[in-house]
Amino acid sequence: QQQVKQSPQSLIVQKGGISIINCAYENTAFDYFPWYQQFPGKGPALLIAIRPDVSEKKEGRFTISFNKSAKQFSLHIMDSQPGDSATYFCAASLSGSARQLTFGSGTQLTVLP
Amino acid sequence: ETGVTQSPTHLIKTRGQQVTLRCSSQSGHNTVSWYQQALGQGPQFIFQYYREEENGRGNFPPRFSGLQFPNYSSELNVNALELDDSALYLCASSLGTGTRGYGYTFGSGTRLTVV
Repeated sequence: QQQVKQSPQSLIVQKGGISIINCAYENTAFDYFPWYQQFPGKGPALLIAIRPDVSEKKEGRFTISFNKSAKQFSLHIMDSQPGDSATYFCAASLSGSARQLTFGSGTQLTVLP
Repeated sequence: ETGVTQSPTHLIKTRGQQVTLRCSSQSGHNTVSWYQQALGQGPQFIFQYYREEENGRGNFPPRFSGLQFPNYSSELNVNALELDDSALYLCASSLGTGTRGYGYTFGSGTRLTVV
């Protein structure tokens, strides 16, 4: 029940296109859903996060869409740029025991110039 | 303000040996969490240290242990190394035990290879 499933495993997008990464969770007690960006040789860095009481959150070119009934959430990167090429991880955590993040398996995004 | 610093950056050990990885938390942070990231996978929570005590543990055997020091820095110790322990070990520091927001900051990790 702690698993977070992420797809696709890899994604290639043309510059200016839209990148979409999807995640599904099982534990309905999760109440915080962040997305992390990781460049080679670096640790994950928080990109954007959402709580389940809203259906969408936008920060610049990055948008999270959240579907509580389907237990799914997704990251949309608008106007994708070569500098966005990185590995993206969705994650989730519990409010009652907010000591750990449960991560998805990651999506390697390549944005072609 | 310095970020999270981990050392060493790379390490090669032989199966059966013991290893100690170190983490200096970001200035002002009092909590350290450790994650294991196998190649091509997402990070998995090992444990968290708060006020020099273990404050939550993931599904890792007892040969994974840790310490937190009065200056909030931390060590991860792994005994009896196995080949499957080869991974990137990430440290995350925070103010308080929560995982929320930009205050939960990861270091660049230590790449451990067990041969």
